[in-house]
Amino acid sequence: GAGVSQSPRYKVAKRGQDVALRCDPISGHVSLFWYQQALGQGPEFLTYFQNEAQLDKSGLPSDRFFAERPEGSVSTLKIQRTQQEDSAVYLCASSGGYEQYFGPGTRLTVT
Amino acid sequence: RKEVEQDPGPFNVPEGATVAFNCTYSNSASQSFFWYRQDCRKEPKLLMSVYSSGNEDGRFTAQLNRASQYISLLIRDSKLSDSATYLCVVNRMDDMRFGAGTRLTVKP
Repeated sequence: GAGVSQSPRYKVAKRGQDVALRCDPISGHVSLFWYQQALGQGPEFLTYFQNEAQLDKSGLPSDRFFAERPEGSVSTLKIQRTQQEDSAVYLCASSGGYEQYFGPGTRLTVT
Repeated sequence: RKEVEQDPGPFNVPEGATVAFNCTYSNSASQSFFWYRQDCRKEPKLLMSVYSSGNEDGRFTAQLNRASQYISLLIRDSKLSDSATYLCVVNRMDDMRFGAGTRLTVKP
């Protein structure tokens, strides 16, 4: 079956623009996670959903970051008024209870 | 101080060498532990779970010391294909925390 997919794979945004990053988890996976990975660093937790409920958003760096999963499957991470420090790879992962499976990530570059 | 700390590396070793990576974590309530592998510009993939009793998967051996809050990964007879970044991961109630990763390069 299909793994976790993310789109777009690459996004270049001018500073101040809003962006929306999409994650399609593995079908049937209840848990969905978003991470931010800066160059040379490990993934940093952003937020976590169980079905449509956002159980933890403690990792979101500012109120410019917003995530949703309205029907408990596809999730969108939105970043408003992008800043240069938002440049990173945004990874989505889903889990059916144990292992997290990662998508290929969206590489965001803010110019 | 980060919640999960790893050897920064990089480790450059010849084929056939044995190499060991260390990791410490600060949250004593952590429940499960993993090593993930991440190839350049790819997503992380689970390499193996880590148990207190120690576990082995072929050339890879992982060890957990809960008292010292220390995790290790040993790779024996390293192959060129082992070149990657190895991420130490600590989990508590679905809250997974990653170390910054240790880069390994295996040279012919």
